[in-house]
Amino acid sequence: EPEVTQTPSHQVTQMGQEVILRCVPISNHLYFYWYRQILGQKVEFLVSFYNNEISEKSEIFDDQFSVERPDGSNFTLKIRSTKLEDSAMYFCASKEGGYEQYFGPGTRLTVT
Amino acid sequence: AQSVAQPEDQVNVAEGNPLTVKCTYSVSGNPYLFWYVQYPNRGLQFLLKYITGDNLVKGSYGFEAEFNKSQTSFHLKKPSALVSDSALYFCAGDTGFQKLVFGTGTRLLVSP
Repeated sequence: EPEVTQTPSHQVTQMGQEVILRCVPISNHLYFYWYRQILGQKVEFLVSFYNNEISEKSEIFDDQFSVERPDGSNFTLKIRSTKLEDSAMYFCASKEGGYEQYFGPGTRLTVT
Repeated sequence: AQSVAQPEDQVNVAEGNPLTVKCTYSVSGNPYLFWYVQYPNRGLQFLLKYITGDNLVKGSYGFEAEFNKSQTSFHLKKPSALVSDSALYFCAGDTGFQKLVFGTGTRLLVSP
């Protein structure tokens, strides 16, 4: 069964550094998403992406964040200058065009 | 504002007994509702969805959920719990604008 994959599984970075989180959505899916989950809190929407552009973003998704689909398979989330409060589990999701989104296993980002 | 609430942090049930994990929603328009399950070190796995039609929806692993419009609820149920059902369960809503709004999660603990 096709799955969404994410790399790395765990990323440790220093405050102020740039990080890129990578996702490979399911191959025939058209809609792509990033969510995050701060430890002990609920899963929060960050951004949705369709047809090579952002379709919606949350107030969390400020100028420090960007997304890109550099080729036909990868979908990346970049954080330009990480802050301590960016430490969280980041989930990528995709959907074909129906209703349910399929999630990857997540990347745990630790900012020190 | 759209929101989904899971009033119980944890539900304990003995193996073989029926289980219910509660969810209430507050979304405008026709709600699209979902249940996801998260096992340790894994992503969110889609269990089932309600879009329209029959109020009782069936999903993976023997789970079902009942949509109740008058009570704005979408409780997850299973007639006979298994120890392997122990996990974190998330209810989520989507009003068609593509982003999912999640509840805080309910930890289900099934004892042998």
